Amino acid sequence: RKEVEQDPGPFNVPEGATVAFNCTYSNSASQSFFWYRQDCRKEPKLLMSVYSSGNEDGRFTAQLNRASQYISLLIRDSKLSDSATYLCVVNVRPEVSSSASKIIFGSGTRLSIRP
Amino acid sequence: DTGVSQNPRHKITKRGQNVTFRCDPISEHNRLYWYRQTLGQGPEFLTYFQNEAQLEKSRLLSDRFSAERPKGSFSTLEIQRTEQGDSAMYLCASSLGLGTRVTEAFFGQGTRLTVV
Repeated sequence: RKEVEQDPGPFNVPEGATVAFNCTYSNSASQSFFWYRQDCRKEPKLLMSVYSSGNEDGRFTAQLNRASQYISLLIRDSKLSDSATYLCVVNVRPEVSSSASKIIFGSGTRLSIRP
Repeated sequence: DTGVSQNPRHKITKRGQNVTFRCDPISEHNRLYWYRQTLGQGPEFLTYFQNEAQLEKSRLLSDRFSAERPKGSFSTLEIQRTEQGDSAMYLCASSLGLGTRVTEAFFGQGTRLTVV
């Protein structure tokens, strides 16, 4: 099982629609969660961190469900400029006793907004 | 520019040659990561460092790949005897690791390797 799994999409939705992505992770000890955005042939950039209580940034809402080990991203009133690949990112501790953790990416969900 | 810097941006090499890439992280970041990305895939974890210590190397990596971060600052990734399957974008990222938590990672623009 992959450490971080996402639906690859593509999601093709009209401008103004609401779209939601889910991501599951396998390491129950994970403590840091993020959504990144990656435009074509560019490096990934942080979209938002995901907090236990859920958080919102404008049209974007991120939620974390620790019991089910998934995080979600909701985009409301989607814009043409939202077209990109959205990457789910989780920190993973190799061993329970280890104090070090690495950052693992999902394979990304491609979103295309049409006029 | 105080972001993550990678050099070179592009590298074309003949199969069998060795290549070395460099990454300069954000100066106060103690964690440094290397990823490989091919078209349509997310960044695939290769290895990471905390300061100068290499904490993990992906089992997917062959012995032809080696990385160093000798003084806990910049890092190099070397690929020996390159193969066409090594063609990809190699991304470096840095973050601040605080025990079991990490802050967000910041990426360099990547080095695109083409093996011909």
